[in-house]
Amino acid sequence: QVQLQESGPGLVKPSETLSLTCTVSGGSVSSGSYYWSWIRQPPGQGLEWIGYIYYSGSISYNPSLKSRVTISVDTSKNQFSLKVSSVTAADTAVYYCARVDMATVYFDYWGQGTLVTVSS
Amino acid sequence: QSALTQPASVSGSPGQSITISCTGTSSDVGSYNLVSWYQQHPGKAPKLMIYEGSKRPSGVSNRFSGSKSGNTASLTISGLQAEDEADYYCCSYAGSRISFVFGTGTKVTVL
Repeated sequence: QVQLQESGPGLVKPSETLSLTCTVSGGSVSSGSYYWSWIRQPPGQGLEWIGYIYYSGSISYNPSLKSRVTISVDTSKNQFSLKVSSVTAADTAVYYCARVDMATVYFDYWGQGTLVTVSS
Repeated sequence: QSALTQPASVSGSPGQSITISCTGTSSDVGSYNLVSWYQQHPGKAPKLMIYEGSKRPSGVSNRFSGSKSGNTASLTISGLQAEDEADYYCCSYAGSRISFVFGTGTKVTVL
């Protein structure tokens, strides 16, 4: 059973960089069949796709966030990570990591989510 | 890229059927048969309910079904049960540049 777990600071100051890591167990980020993705959900609002990465380093970002977002993968630790720079209160959200099936293009496994609050 | 449009809320009595619409454009829903639907209970991660527009993952009740016509996808829940009360989101592949776009979300209430 594949499991994903987000980790990182729950509080980030405005203008700083938000950093989160997703640890994958029961599966490998090096699998050629999946992308590894980040999705966020502001409190009381809907889901927003942030981006995804393939184990080889191929990346796709949401154009609305592209200038501030970096996703990376560490195959040796079976992890992938998210950085969002110059954060504002609008970046306050529950951040989810998820696995994307490349063939059928859906999010099949999700982490439990982690709330990141941007506040001074 | 704008979010796909869903009704804010849909309600029904136990045993009834309800349908949630998801309207996109010819660049996303209309171009790809790659719409997925997710159920989200409060405080929980979304759960995949339908993929490729109409296919159910193993373990998902056959009370859930999906379809698509033109730029609009739909999720139907038949035999509505109390446990179906949740938020539902559609998601469509939108091409290599944008990749994924989610719907605005629909709150389903079982009366």
